Amino acid sequence: EIVMTQSPATLSVSPGERATLSCRASQSVSSNLAWYQQKPGQAPRLLIYGASTRATGIPARFSGSGSGTEFTLTISSLQSEDFAVYYCQQSGTFGGGTKVEIK
Amino acid sequence: QVQLQESGPGLVKPSQTLSLTCTVSGGSISSGSYYWSWIRQPAGKGLEWIGRIYTSGSTNYNPSLKSRVTISVDTSKNQFSLKLSSVTAADTAVYYCARDSYYYGSGHAFDIWGQGTMVTVSS
Repeated sequence: EIVMTQSPATLSVSPGERATLSCRASQSVSSNLAWYQQKPGQAPRLLIYGASTRATGIPARFSGSGSGTEFTLTISSLQSEDFAVYYCQQSGTFGGGTKVEIK
Repeated sequence: QVQLQESGPGLVKPSQTLSLTCTVSGGSISSGSYYWSWIRQPAGKGLEWIGRIYTSGSTNYNPSLKSRVTISVDTSKNQFSLKLSSVTAADTAVYYCARDSYYYGSGHAFDIWGQGTMVTVSS
């Protein structure tokens, strides 16, 4: 079973700054990786699939990179609506999440 | 546009079977090469994938839940369902249904989600 590990657990960032979130797989998953954003009381929203392809309607400030076992989600300039929890996912396994909070 | 809506009891007694249904609207559950998944989230915790079904009826389950899970599809009603047997308090969670798209070369991604339904296991 593949284990997905996200870091850091919490990231404190000021609005307008860049946020970099990491996701590591316990074995290679090629580019089969997706990222989600979840706000309190809401269902998750797909941001990125295939490690780097933005889903429909996702702003360009969200970008994904990586392959194999190391992946990164970058939010280039944090907006107020971006403060949320972010999850990576490979097939049937989710990472534990990274909470992006206001610094 | 396609929308998903979960329905079912909000309270289940320990040792009983949890049963939920997801109704797909705005499109046919049989159209396109989509899988349909169930995912849950205990309060304050992360996401756990439960399993998926293809419209052909083929299924894949989370190994940690496989012995207790059954997912089925009713294409005539545009619905798919979850049954989780022998529930305990640890099964208390928000349960989501989601459209599970498989992108060749890019893997599975859950691109449309229901709003979620809270299920509490308690006597």
